[in-house]
Amino acid sequence: GAVVSQHPSWVICKSGTSVKIECRSLDFQATTMFWYRQFPKQSLMLMATSNEGSKATYEQGVEKDKFLINHASLTLSTLTVTSAHPEDSSFYICSATAGTSNTEAFFGQGTRLTVV
Amino acid sequence: GQNIDQPTEMTATEGAIVQINCTYQTSGFNGLFWYQQHAGEAPTFLSYNVLDGLEEKGRFSSFLSRSKGYSYLLLKELQMKDSASYLCAVRDTTGGYQKVTFGIGTKLQVIP
Repeated sequence: GAVVSQHPSWVICKSGTSVKIECRSLDFQATTMFWYRQFPKQSLMLMATSNEGSKATYEQGVEKDKFLINHASLTLSTLTVTSAHPEDSSFYICSATAGTSNTEAFFGQGTRLTVV
Repeated sequence: GQNIDQPTEMTATEGAIVQINCTYQTSGFNGLFWYQQHAGEAPTFLSYNVLDGLEEKGRFSSFLSRSKGYSYLLLKELQMKDSASYLCAVRDTTGGYQKVTFGIGTKLQVIP
C-alpha cells in the first residue's frame, strides 16, 4: 500500500524554539495533506488541511502564525511549530490522500514532540 | 462542520463479536473510515464506506446508512490483540475542499 513517511519520529526542544516536522508521500502524489494533533488519551484533532500549492485551511482555534504549514510539492508537506511551549507537547500526525475519490487517507508514523 | 459520536469505551470477551457504533452529521458527506490505533502509534486503516451497505474484510465488517448518518464496525472472533482504540472518521467535501474529521475513538478492551 501507499507509504507516508513522517520525520522526525520524536523530538525534544527547548521552550521558545521552533520545530519542523516533515511529511512525505513516497509512492503517490498527495494532493491533500492533513495535520492532526493528539493529546494523551484523546482522539486526533484536525489542525489544518493543506492542498498542494495553496494556503492551508486551519481549524477554528488553531493559530496559523504558530503552526506554519507548507505544501510546496505533491510529495512533501511541513509543519513548523514556532516558539514552542510546553503546552504544545503532543503527538503530531500527518495523513495524505491522492484526491477526493481516494478510498483511504494514509498516515505517517507520527511525531512525539516534547517541549521542555 | 461535523459532529461524530461513538462510545468512549467497550469491553468484550475473546472469541466473541463486538459492534462499535458511530453516528455523524455532516453537510458534504463523501465517505466514512474506520481506523485502529494502538497506544502511542499512528492509526491504521481498517475499512471505508461511501455507499450504503455492508463491507466485509476478514474478521472486520463495516456498515453504512447515509440516510441515518450511522455506521458500525463489527469485529468477529475477537483476539486479545484487538484491544485498541477504534476511530470513526468522516470525509466531507463541501466547497470542493476535502476534510477528514475523527470521532473521539472507542477504546476496546478484550478480556480472556
